[in-house]
Amino acid sequence: KQEVTQIPAALSVPEGENLVLNCSFTDSAIYNLQWFRQDPGKGLTSLLLIQSSQREQTSGRLNASLDKSSGRSTLYIAASQPGDSATYLCAPSRGGGADGLTFGKGTHLIIQP
Amino acid sequence: AAGVIQSPRHLIKEKRETATLKCYPIPRHDTVYWYQQGPGQDPQFLISFYEKMQSDKGSIPDRFSAQQFSDYHSELNMSSLELGDSALYFCASSPVAQGNYEQYFGPGTRLTVT
Repeated sequence: KQEVTQIPAALSVPEGENLVLNCSFTDSAIYNLQWFRQDPGKGLTSLLLIQSSQREQTSGRLNASLDKSSGRSTLYIAASQPGDSATYLCAPSRGGGADGLTFGKGTHLIIQP
Repeated sequence: AAGVIQSPRHLIKEKRETATLKCYPIPRHDTVYWYQQGPGQDPQFLISFYEKMQSDKGSIPDRFSAQQFSDYHSELNMSSLELGDSALYFCASSPVAQGNYEQYFGPGTRLTVT
């Protein structure tokens, strides 16, 4: 059974800092991995999807890397802003198609103005 | 851009009652997923459908059932509700036949069982 761990569990930093959120997973036989953000009591917003054949994926100030063999992914947030405050979740998928995602418990991020 | 639509957004039921949650995927998305997120918990995958056929199954209780209809919308039926079923229920969709497996989530239905 896939287990996903996210470190740190919580992070509070002043705005402008560059951040690194870590995700590790026990079963490296994944097809892809998605990063989401979730605001309190709200739905999940997809940030990035990285295929197992990719090493990196970028969207604006966000960059996700994937090392499938070691079971690790990293989300890098550049020049953090108060609007980035949310919980960030990583979720690997074991197969393509309609397979469900396994989520970590997330990193709760607070960016201080 | 159109998003995933879920209804109702809030639902209050008593123990042992039944509930039906509805999900309308993004247009031209053929795959629907259901997730349950308890208070302070990470989302747990319940079940998915591709082209109206059940595709993957997670930790869905036997008291729950779901289906996807010809217009691709999906319904999650929950019977004999228990207090522990109180949670946020998310639906997500993907255009899998187009080779895109990115899951797009709806706003969720908050179910409260009293």
